[in-house]
Amino acid sequence: GAGVSQSPRYKVTKRGQDVALRCDPISGHVSLYWYRQALGQGPEFLTYFNYEAQQDKSGLPNDRFSAERPEGSISTLTIQRTEQRDSAMYRCASSPRATDLGQYFGPGTRLTVT
Amino acid sequence: AQSVTQPDIHITVSEGASLELRCNYSYGATPYLFWYVQSPGQGLQLLLKYFSGDTLVQGIKGFEAEFKRSQSSFNLRKPSVHWSDAAEYFCAVGARNTDKLIFGTGTRLQVFP
Repeated sequence: GAGVSQSPRYKVTKRGQDVALRCDPISGHVSLYWYRQALGQGPEFLTYFNYEAQQDKSGLPNDRFSAERPEGSISTLTIQRTEQRDSAMYRCASSPRATDLGQYFGPGTRLTVT
Repeated sequence: AQSVTQPDIHITVSEGASLELRCNYSYGATPYLFWYVQSPGQGLQLLLKYFSGDTLVQGIKGFEAEFKRSQSSFNLRKPSVHWSDAAEYFCAVGARNTDKLIFGTGTRLQVFP
């Protein structure tokens, strides 16, 4: 079946603009996760949802970052007033129920803030 | 706090040689443990996972990993490496009371013919 998809795959934006990154999880997966990966590093947790409820947003760096999953399927990660330090690969993952069943990652969105 | 250490940033092996990638974790109880592989331009692919039971787990692509509680390790092994195994490998730990994964910084594997 189809895996996790993310769009856009690449996004270049100017400092100060808002961006919205989309994640479409594997059909039927309950849990959805957002991670950020800097060059040369492993992914770093941002936030996650079970169905439409945001369970943990402790990894969001500041209040410019927000995420939603209004119908329990597709999720959007929004970054307001982007800064150069926001440049990274943003990865989405989904899981059938919880981590014990493994998280399955999408291809990521490469964000570059100029 | 949970943490993961992958001591080897870069490893080079010859095709057909055996491979062991090291992973050490810090966690107060028995964690969930994972290995992921990231090929250039690709997403992270789950190789294998450990939750409980048999400490030697088999994964895809001929990989296996062994959980050693006494050493807080979860090393990844493959008896004979193929050129297509060249990629970056990430070890990750998950706590049993949360759903977030903590990743190591990765080990880049280079395979020479």
